[in-house]
Amino acid sequence: KQEVTQIPAALSVPEGENLVLNCSFTDSAIYNLQWFRQDPGKGLTSLLLIQSSQREQTSGRLNASLDKSSGRSTLYIAASQPGDSATYLCAVIASGSARQLTFGSGTQLTVLP
Amino acid sequence: EAQVTQNPRYLITVTGKKLTVTCSQNMNHEYMSWYRQDPGLGLRQIYYSMNVEVTDKGDVPEGYKVSRKEKRNFPLILESPSPNQTSLYFCASSFLTSGRDNEQFFGPGTRLTVL
Repeated sequence: KQEVTQIPAALSVPEGENLVLNCSFTDSAIYNLQWFRQDPGKGLTSLLLIQSSQREQTSGRLNASLDKSSGRSTLYIAASQPGDSATYLCAVIASGSARQLTFGSGTQLTVLP
Repeated sequence: EAQVTQNPRYLITVTGKKLTVTCSQNMNHEYMSWYRQDPGLGLRQIYYSMNVEVTDKGDVPEGYKVSRKEKRNFPLILESPSPNQTSLYFCASSFLTSGRDNEQFFGPGTRLTVL
């Protein structure tokens, strides 16, 4: 069964710092991987989607990479801002899983002004 | 605006009183699903639907029902709610075609408390 792990569970950085969030998954047979952001008590906002055939995706200050063979993805946030403070969730769809997302437990990011 | 909407956003009810949480999307997505989020357990899928009249169980379907009579709507039904169904519920939708279009979009969540 697919398992997704996110390290660290929490991260606190000063404003302006570049940072990397890590996601690992146990089964490399994935359909795609999606990064989400969740603000306290709120819904999930999709940040980036990486198809299994892709190596990375970029959106503004965000860059996500995917290494299927090693079962890893990273989310790079450039020039962090206090507004980036949220929980970041990584989720994968296993091949042949009827589009079910398997989520990691998230990384809670705090960007200090 | 393309979105997934859920109603109600907050609900406090008592054990055994039937309730329905509605979910609607305006993006013409074939795929819709329900998740619950609990501290320490993360997000787990309850039910999903590949298209109208096609539904199937996720990982935690016990105590829930769904229906998909229209493409845009996917209500979650709790016929006899129990306190262990107290949770934050999310509806999600996406296209089923391959490529970027299968990005999944989530609703704002419904916080349910069963007393």
